Amino acid sequence: AQSVTQLDSQVPVFEEAPVELRCNYSSSVSVYLFWYVQYPNQGLQLLLKYLSGSTLVKGINGFEAEFNKSQTSFHLRKPSVHISDTAEYFCAVSEWAGTALIFGKGTTLSVSS
Amino acid sequence: ETGVTQSPTHLIKTRGQQVTLRCSSQSGHNTVSWYQQALGQGPQFIFQYYREEENGRGNFPPRFSGLQFPNYSSELNVNALELDDSALYLCASSHGGGENIQYFGAGTRLSVL
Repeated sequence: AQSVTQLDSQVPVFEEAPVELRCNYSSSVSVYLFWYVQYPNQGLQLLLKYLSGSTLVKGINGFEAEFNKSQTSFHLRKPSVHISDTAEYFCAVSEWAGTALIFGKGTTLSVSS
Repeated sequence: ETGVTQSPTHLIKTRGQQVTLRCSSQSGHNTVSWYQQALGQGPQFIFQYYREEENGRGNFPPRFSGLQFPNYSSELNVNALELDDSALYLCASSHGGGENIQYFGAGTRLSVL
């Protein structure tokens, strides 16, 4: 069975600073990896995904993530954050040809001026 | 292209009642998954429907049941509501097959009193 650990429950950062949200996963089989963002009182929006190929994946809103198989990590990064990036971020894993997405508990990113 | 839509947006029920939540999948998608998101937690997988058949189920009791219709829309039914069923219920749609890229609706907020 897979599991996801998001290492930081809250990340406060100033506007225009870089940010990294950390995600580790556990699985005995090959996986797909995802990051979703949830704004207050809304559903989940797909930020980016790793399916195969290049380990550095780029997503929407200037976010990128790097898949590290040896460290079983999939950390999310942005070089310069905006106030509008304030939201809850979820890392998720799925088996190849699986059905369920297994989510971490989320990281609250708070961007202040 | 229309996205995933869910109805109603909010619902208040009392303990012991039954509830039906509805989801219309994104055009071109034949797979619908349902998730429960308790306050401050990541989404938990309830089940998935593929071409009108249940295609995977998480650790939820049988009083959580579902349907998928020929147009790929779906219902989630919960019987004998308990206070702990209060949560945001999210529907996600995807193409059937390996990559499991799921796109989410805005959710239905269920409050059980």
